[in-house]
Amino acid sequence: EPEVTQTPSHQVTQMGQEVILRCVPISNHLYFYWYRQILGQKVEFLVSFYNNEISEKSEIFDDQFSVERPDGSNFTLKIRSTKLEDSAMYFCASTLSGGSNTGELFFGEGSRLTVL
Amino acid sequence: AQSVTQLGSHVSVSEGALVLLRCNYSSSVPPYLFWYVQYPNQGLQLLLKYTTGATLVKGINGFEAEFKKSETSFHLTKPSAHMSDAAEYFCAVSEQNTDKLIFGTGTRLQVFP
Repeated sequence: EPEVTQTPSHQVTQMGQEVILRCVPISNHLYFYWYRQILGQKVEFLVSFYNNEISEKSEIFDDQFSVERPDGSNFTLKIRSTKLEDSAMYFCASTLSGGSNTGELFFGEGSRLTVL
Repeated sequence: AQSVTQLGSHVSVSEGALVLLRCNYSSSVPPYLFWYVQYPNQGLQLLLKYTTGATLVKGINGFEAEFKKSETSFHLTKPSAHMSDAAEYFCAVSEQNTDKLIFGTGTRLQVFP
């Protein structure tokens, strides 16, 4: 069964370092998302991406964050200069049809980021 | 602003017992409602969703949920728990024509033999 894959599963980094989290969405999906979950808190929407551009982003997704689809398969989340509060589990998701409320989102297993 | 509240971060039941996971939402417009499940070391998986129509929706693995507008609730139930149901369950809400889900904090379900 097709699935969303994320790498790395766990990354430890020093504060101020750049981090890139990678996702391979399901191959025929068109809409891509990043969510995150700080330990003990809610899963929060970060950004949605369609047709090679951001379609919606949350207040969390500030200038330190960026996303891109560098080739036909990968979808990456970059954090330019990590802060302690960026420590969280980051989930990538994809769907075939637009709008998270019309199509089922398929989530990856998550990438745990620990910022020291 | 939309929000979701899941009462009880941990719920424990015996195998064969009723499972009830509570979810209340706030939304200024008719919401779309979802339950996702996360098994250990896996991603979130859609259990069921309510968009329009019948207020009682059935999902995978014998779960169902009922949308009650008067109570702003979307509680998840299963008549008889199985050991394999042990997981984290997330309730989520979305507005029409928006691209994001608003999640609750999750409820971890434990099933004892």
